[in-house]
Amino acid sequence: IQMTQSPSSLSASVGDRVTITCRASQGIRRDLGWYQHKPGKAPKVLIYSATSLQSGVPSRFSGSGSGTNFTLSISGLQPEDFATYYCLHDYNYPYTFGQGTKLEIK
Amino acid sequence: QVQLVQSETEVKKPGASVKVSCQASGYIFTDYYIQWVRQAPGHGLEWMGRINLSSGGTFYADKFEGRVSMTRDTAISTAYLEVSSLNSDDTAVYYCARRVMTTEYDPYKGFDVWGQGTTVIVSS
Repeated sequence: IQMTQSPSSLSASVGDRVTITCRASQGIRRDLGWYQHKPGKAPKVLIYSATSLQSGVPSRFSGSGSGTNFTLSISGLQPEDFATYYCLHDYNYPYTFGQGTKLEIK
Repeated sequence: QVQLVQSETEVKKPGASVKVSCQASGYIFTDYYIQWVRQAPGHGLEWMGRINLSSGGTFYADKFEGRVSMTRDTAISTAYLEVSSLNSDDTAVYYCARRVMTTEYDPYKGFDVWGQGTTVIVSS
């Protein structure tokens, strides 16, 4: 299963709302997570099962979608949100990540 | 506290092998899979495979089949990733992460705990 993530990069300002999308090459139900990755740190799960917010993650992060189309939205961007974001399907093996979206400060 | 602690940076020559460890604490080791993920410089995250910590069963991404081995030692709650025939393309940070195997006792929450990463440098 291929995961096509877009955009590959995104420039935004503190306070903005942004949306990142992932499209699966075949249906994966809701077996998708969103991960935030900062340089020198381990990735961190934000959303699992497409829409469930991981404990401790701010509510400005939200996920939607099922089947083949998924989105991650961040409302009211904060300085600490500038990072690279990845989708990951765990529907069947092999699992695959999207190519990543680098979110930069405008 | 639930954590995964990985081994330190490794520097290897082309053609050599490397073995990275990932020690778990704070939870029941055999209730989870360990996934291995890597990130090469300038590239995104790449899923390499997983090991069932209860049975030892493995699944590898096609790209790594035959060159990667994932094992575990349940007595010390440690998983291992061994990569053989290293080349410069294997220079990367390697991460372990856990994913629940059965939701009988713990809920599914994706790859919810990660190791700190192990840098592997392949250079002559």
